[in-house]
Amino acid sequence: NAGVMQNPRHLVRRRGQEARLRCSPMKGHSHVYWYRQLPEEGLKFMVYLQKENIIDESGMPKERFSAEFPKEGPSILRIQQVVRGDSAAYFCASSPTGQGNTGELFFGEGSRLTVL
Amino acid sequence: RKEVEQDPGPFNVPEGATVAFNCTYSNSASQSFFWYRQDCRKEPKLLMSVYSSGNEDGRFTAQLNRASQYISLLIRDSKLSDSATYLCVVKRGTYNFNKFYFGSGTKLNVKP
Repeated sequence: NAGVMQNPRHLVRRRGQEARLRCSPMKGHSHVYWYRQLPEEGLKFMVYLQKENIIDESGMPKERFSAEFPKEGPSILRIQQVVRGDSAAYFCASSPTGQGNTGELFFGEGSRLTVL
Repeated sequence: RKEVEQDPGPFNVPEGATVAFNCTYSNSASQSFFWYRQDCRKEPKLLMSVYSSGNEDGRFTAQLNRASQYISLLIRDSKLSDSATYLCVVKRGTYNFNKFYFGSGTKLNVKP
């Protein structure tokens, strides 16, 4: 049973380009969370999604950032017109629901974005 | 006020020492409580859940005080490999909806 898969693991972009980060949750998990971690700082919640539905996007910057979790395929975090301040590790986590809901979050290894 | 507050540390302790971390949470409706561990440049991983009756896993003991909205983690006989950042996490939600709140973490350095 594969864990949470994130790709790319490392991404380098120049200012103004777009970054797309992908996350495939664990099998059977229908909830996906995205977190951002700046160097030497804690995890900051960005967005919480279920399939085809954004549950909570209170942590998403108002501009340039968007997220989706389509019926088929991975969840995608999209950052348009990246700036140096977007350089961070972006972690995806998934959790089960219903009967399998132990309350635990399972994290991917993260995608590290560097903006030149 | 932050949902979850932790002392950022760092806690610098010698091998074999006992060290305790504390965490407070602001919302009394919080339902589940966890300690996660994050190694440098790695993803967080669940260390242990925290139950009202207190629970122990080897050298690690977690306690929850709902009345004071306070969670603790005790590490006995510290090992070099315990060096990491420890994240206090609380959860609120329903059967099909979970929202997690992370503290900013407490850094532990275990020295030889």
